[in-house]
Amino acid sequence: GAGVSQSPRYKVAKRGQDVALRCDPISGHVSLFWYQQALGQGPEFLTYFQNEAQLDKSGLPSDRFFAERPEGSVSTLKIQRTQQEDSAVYLCASSPQEQNTEAFFGQGTRLTVV
Amino acid sequence: AQRVTQPEKLLSVFKGAPVELKCNYSYSGSPELFWYVQYSRQRLQLLLRHISRESIKGFTADLNKGETSFHLKKPFAQEEDSAMYYCALSPLSNNDMRFGAGTRLTVKP
Repeated sequence: GAGVSQSPRYKVAKRGQDVALRCDPISGHVSLFWYQQALGQGPEFLTYFQNEAQLDKSGLPSDRFFAERPEGSVSTLKIQRTQQEDSAVYLCASSPQEQNTEAFFGQGTRLTVV
Repeated sequence: AQRVTQPEKLLSVFKGAPVELKCNYSYSGSPELFWYVQYSRQRLQLLLRHISRESIKGFTADLNKGETSFHLKKPFAQEEDSAMYYCALSPLSNNDMRFGAGTRLTVKP
């Protein structure tokens, strides 16, 4: 597709359930980012990949959060044993090889934990 | 680590008035600065970036290294400028981009 695609768009999970959020970046984009955006807040950095290498995961809030990008394209953000505070919009963005170019964002996945 | 501060969560101006959205940053190295915008029900998108030195939709932003600021300005605000605006910083050495908390701009008729 032409842009960054995220699925599902909406996810309702019961507390304690595991969830997996998918991001399809723009084809050929080397860098991929995950952000968490709580209601009324700005995007908070979670983790960053360059190809398949996870170069920074300092923003992951707990060991319940895990991200992977095994073949350097599609990425999955997994949240284990979801809690109510995990409710947020999870944004994925990708950017091409060149340094500091524009990041292209997906529409996000809205996760609601009940 | 890099940090971006947007001191105003909300900003309201009348149509035709000048607008300035403030952004301050802290980073020990050389940064690239960006402004992103999110219109209602749309995805986050790039508005402008420091390195390109462009004026987009009448907006400009000047990097002031002495004050570590990258304020966004427009001389005459329009109603269609109403949106969330996010300042972002990326080190020149990599693509590790961080965002501020955002400013919601409302332009009143």
